[in-house]
Amino acid sequence: GAGVSQSPRYKVAKRGQDVALRCDPISGHVSLFWYQQALGQGPEFLTYFQNEAQLDKSGLPSDRFFAERPEGSVSTLKIQRTQQEDSAVYLCASSLGQSAYNEQFFGPGTRLTVL
Amino acid sequence: DQQVKQNSPSLSVQEGRISILNCDYTNSMFDYFLWYKKYPAEGPTFLISISSIKDKNEDGRFTVFLNKSAKHLSLHIVPSQPGDSAVYFCAAKGGSQGNLIFGKGTKLSVKP
Repeated sequence: GAGVSQSPRYKVAKRGQDVALRCDPISGHVSLFWYQQALGQGPEFLTYFQNEAQLDKSGLPSDRFFAERPEGSVSTLKIQRTQQEDSAVYLCASSLGQSAYNEQFFGPGTRLTVL
Repeated sequence: DQQVKQNSPSLSVQEGRISILNCDYTNSMFDYFLWYKKYPAEGPTFLISISSIKDKNEDGRFTVFLNKSAKHLSLHIVPSQPGDSAVYFCAAKGGSQGNLIFGKGTKLSVKP
């Protein structure tokens, strides 16, 4: 595809349910980032992959959050036992190289609502 | 504790006039600054960037100014067009850190 795609675009979960959010980066992009954007806020960093290696997960808010990118392309962000404060838009971004200064291309996001 | 601050949640400008969006930062380790534009239900899209070794970068109607001593940057859009109406995010990064640190955004409305 031409850009970063994310699925589902919208997800409604009951409190306590597990959810899985998928990101398809631009083909060939080495770096992949996950961000969380709460209502009225800017995106906040969650975690970073370089190929299949998770190099930084310092932004994950709790051990209920888990991300993987097993083959260095598609990534999944999993949230276990969802809470209302997890309601947000989850954005995925990819960039071509390993440099911190490569442009990041964002997907449209997944809007998660936890009831 | 916000490291990147956009103190104006919204800005309204007449078509054809200049739009000035402001951003302040606190971390002196930041060496690269970016502006992203976001339409509803879409992801942010890159607009323009500036390295800390420069004080100005221009791309068409968009110019970013950086004042390192004041830890302040601004985005100028001249002339403003209705299609510029969107939320604008200021972002920063520093050193080997690849992730972006965003401000809360400023919603720009350009009225015809």
